[in-house]
Amino acid sequence: AQSVTQPDIHITVSEGASLELRCNYSYGATPYLFWYVQSPGQGLQLLLKYFSGDTLVQGIKGFEAEFKRSQSSFNLRKPSVHWSDAAEYFCAVERDYGQNFVFGPGTRLSVLP
Amino acid sequence: EAQVTQNPRYLITVTGKKLTVTCSQNMNHEYMSWYRQDPGLGLRQIYYSMNVEVTDKGDVPEGYKVSRKEKRNFPLILESPSPNQTSLYFCASREAKWNSPLHFGNGTRLTVT
Repeated sequence: AQSVTQPDIHITVSEGASLELRCNYSYGATPYLFWYVQSPGQGLQLLLKYFSGDTLVQGIKGFEAEFKRSQSSFNLRKPSVHWSDAAEYFCAVERDYGQNFVFGPGTRLSVLP
Repeated sequence: EAQVTQNPRYLITVTGKKLTVTCSQNMNHEYMSWYRQDPGLGLRQIYYSMNVEVTDKGDVPEGYKVSRKEKRNFPLILESPSPNQTSLYFCASREAKWNSPLHFGNGTRLTVT
């Protein structure tokens, strides 16, 4: 069965520091990969997605993610974190029959001033 | 404004009292789905619908019902709620094509006592 793991439950970084959130997936075919962000009391917002082509994808709010097939990973990065980035981040894989998503358990990001 | 609207935002009920959580989208999306979010488990899909009168079970459908009589609406029905259905629920919609992202509502926090 397809699965998505996010090894870090909670990460704390200082404002201005760089960030990397890890995501690993278990999947038999070329996956469609997504990162979503959930601010407190809000629904999930799409940050970026990977479909094919360039393995480094750019998203909103200065985020980027790199797809590494050999490592089954799709890690999210940001060079300089802002206090407003504090939120929960979810990695997701679209299943191959095109109408269903599998989400990871999420990583909660705290930002120190 | 393109949006997915869920109601109510908060709901407290007692075991066995039937309830409905409404979901409506104004983007003419074919695909709609319901998720529940629980700490450490991420989002798990309850039911999804690929179009009017077409629904299917997700990963955790027990205790839930849905209907899709109109394209814009996809209500979630709990015929006899139990405390283990206490959770945060999200409705989402998307275009019915590969790699299109999910658009989420703001969530409904349900407590069953």
